[in-house]
Amino acid sequence: GESVGLHLPTLSVQEGDNSIINCAYSNSASDYFIWYKQESGKGPQFIIDIRSNMDKRQGQRVTVLLNKTVKHLSLQIAATQPGDSAVYFCAENHRDNYGQNFVFGPGTRLSVLP
Amino acid sequence: DAMVIQNPRYQVTQFGKPVTLSCSQTLNHNVMYWYQQKSSQAPKLLFHYYDKDFNNEADTPDNFQSRRPNTSFCFLDIRSPGLGDAAMYLCATSDVTNEKLFFGSGTQLSVL
Repeated sequence: GESVGLHLPTLSVQEGDNSIINCAYSNSASDYFIWYKQESGKGPQFIIDIRSNMDKRQGQRVTVLLNKTVKHLSLQIAATQPGDSAVYFCAENHRDNYGQNFVFGPGTRLSVLP
Repeated sequence: DAMVIQNPRYQVTQFGKPVTLSCSQTLNHNVMYWYQQKSSQAPKLLFHYYDKDFNNEADTPDNFQSRRPNTSFCFLDIRSPGLGDAAMYLCATSDVTNEKLFFGSGTQLSVL
């Protein structure tokens, strides 16, 4: 369903540690997922994507895991840096009669502590 | 560089005064979206164009309209802005062969 959250979950990690951000998605028919990073006052920035025929995908310092059984998506950031501080959203691709429609999760604010 | 450009970056309007937000793209994508994002919330889809076909979300208020005169440009018109319409408005594009959503920097709308 649509995200209507009013309270943004926050994850605080020490610089250099690994971060894991979780997302539960709603539609078992969704077949494409994206993680976005959004810094204050800016538009969402693409981080990594994954299709439903995969369980894991790796990028530079980031890994996305997909568990279709429980409709769960996670983003792992290795060696977290101060520049990683932002809000992270997962987005799932709902397909309907009019094409595709990305629905966003509620988001998680990542704070990197020095 | 190919990108999604939104103008203006910040827009201030008065209660009830019509306002138009602009979006242009150099990616030649066939789908363009408008999202509304309020503070500490996720982006919420208002509507999207698949080429010239307009697709409105069921819960998008009639106060919000959109125009897409050509592939490159898309406009968001708010006919009578209320205080509750103050938000960041995000334009995004995608291509059916790629699917990835590309966002502009957004327009922060304030309603006085």
